[in-house]
Amino acid sequence: AQSVSQHNHHVILSEAASLELGCNYSYGGTVNLFWYVQYPGQHLQLLLKYFSGDPLVKGIKGFEAEFIKSKFSFNLRKPSVQWSDTAEYFCAVIGQAGTALIFGKGTTLSVSS
Amino acid sequence: GAGVSQSPSNKVTEKGKDVELRCDPISGHTALYWYRQSLGQGLEFLIYFQGNSAPDKSGLPSDRFSAERTGGSVSTLTIQRTQQEDSAVYLCASSFGTGRGDEQFFGPGTRLTVL
Repeated sequence: AQSVSQHNHHVILSEAASLELGCNYSYGGTVNLFWYVQYPGQHLQLLLKYFSGDPLVKGIKGFEAEFIKSKFSFNLRKPSVQWSDTAEYFCAVIGQAGTALIFGKGTTLSVSS
Repeated sequence: GAGVSQSPSNKVTEKGKDVELRCDPISGHTALYWYRQSLGQGLEFLIYFQGNSAPDKSGLPSDRFSAERTGGSVSTLTIQRTQQEDSAVYLCASSFGTGRGDEQFFGPGTRLTVL
């Protein structure tokens, strides 16, 4: 069965620090990869997605992610975090059936000002 | 509407009772998804609808769980004879279609607590 693993359960950073959240997936076929974010008290929303083409994907709010096929990875990065980036981040892949999202367990990011 | 809405936002029930959770998708979205978010399990897919039919029910954890969608719009997730392990946040999402490129938009969720 397909799975997504996120290496970090809770990450604590100071403002202006660089961020990298790890994500690995298990499926070896064509993949569609996503990062979703859930800010405190808000809905889950799409941060960025990868379907094909340039493996470096730019998203909203200065986030980017790099798809490395050989490593089955899709890590999320931001060069300089802000207090407002405090949230829970979920990596996800579209399943083989091509419909439902399969999520990792999430990483809570806490940024101190 | 402006976004996916769900009701109630919170539901507390006693073990053994039935509950119904409602989802109103974004107008014009043909696909609708139910997910469950619980401690330790993360976000799990339950079921999805294309129009009024449910091609994939593979995520429903037991036959106590069922869902329907009427008029290609509102969906109801029903949990019969609730158990404490059913306590979770139930999320609904909708998308314009079911293509891999169709973004799923999530609602605020219903927090279910089974005492």
